Amino acid sequence: EDKVVQSPLSLVVHEGDTVTLNCSYEVTNFRSLLWYKQEKKAPTFLFMLTSSGIEKKSGRLSSILDKKELSSILNITATQTGDSAIYLCAVEAGTYKYIFGTGTRLKVLA
Amino acid sequence: NAGVTQTPKFQVLKTGQSMTLQCAQDMNHNSMYWYRQDPGMGLRLIYYSASEGTTDKGEVPNGYNVSRLNKREFSLRLESAAPSQTSVYFCASSDWGSTDTQYFGPGTRLTVL
Repeated sequence: EDKVVQSPLSLVVHEGDTVTLNCSYEVTNFRSLLWYKQEKKAPTFLFMLTSSGIEKKSGRLSSILDKKELSSILNITATQTGDSAIYLCAVEAGTYKYIFGTGTRLKVLA
Repeated sequence: NAGVTQTPKFQVLKTGQSMTLQCAQDMNHNSMYWYRQDPGMGLRLIYYSASEGTTDKGEVPNGYNVSRLNKREFSLRLESAAPSQTSVYFCASSDWGSTDTQYFGPGTRLTVL
């Protein structure tokens, strides 16, 4: 059975800290891995990683895909209170087949 | 550009009642999706429409039906609501199918008593 596991489940840090969120997967037909940020409502897209694009960076956020270890990390440097959210990892495991992890809840304290 | 819109935002139903959740997107996307999000379960795909005129089952389709009314609109119907369908429902769209970024609507919080 295809599955995606995220860790930790929750995390509390102080502003300015660096955090690393983990996502590991077991799927039979990997196509891509996606990271989303979910604040109060809809998930918003952060990154898509594929075999041809295993590292992405946008400002203080960066993500790496390790296809050998079947995992990905999402790094956030110099965290701010606005980074507080649930971070979702999803793997596209076939055409129109998305497996989501349960998310990591990040809280950044001022 | 409103993106993806959903109505209603909140709904309370009694067991056995029916209702339709509406979704519309103004990005001229071809593909649309319905997900449910439950605590500890992550997002799960209920149905999707790869393009106008087609619909297919996702991971958890039982108890639901969908209609792709036109390119913009994709509705989700609960014919006889059950407490197990209490959830937050998200609609999403993408430009060219499953390899493209999905854009999500704000969600509908549904409670079935």
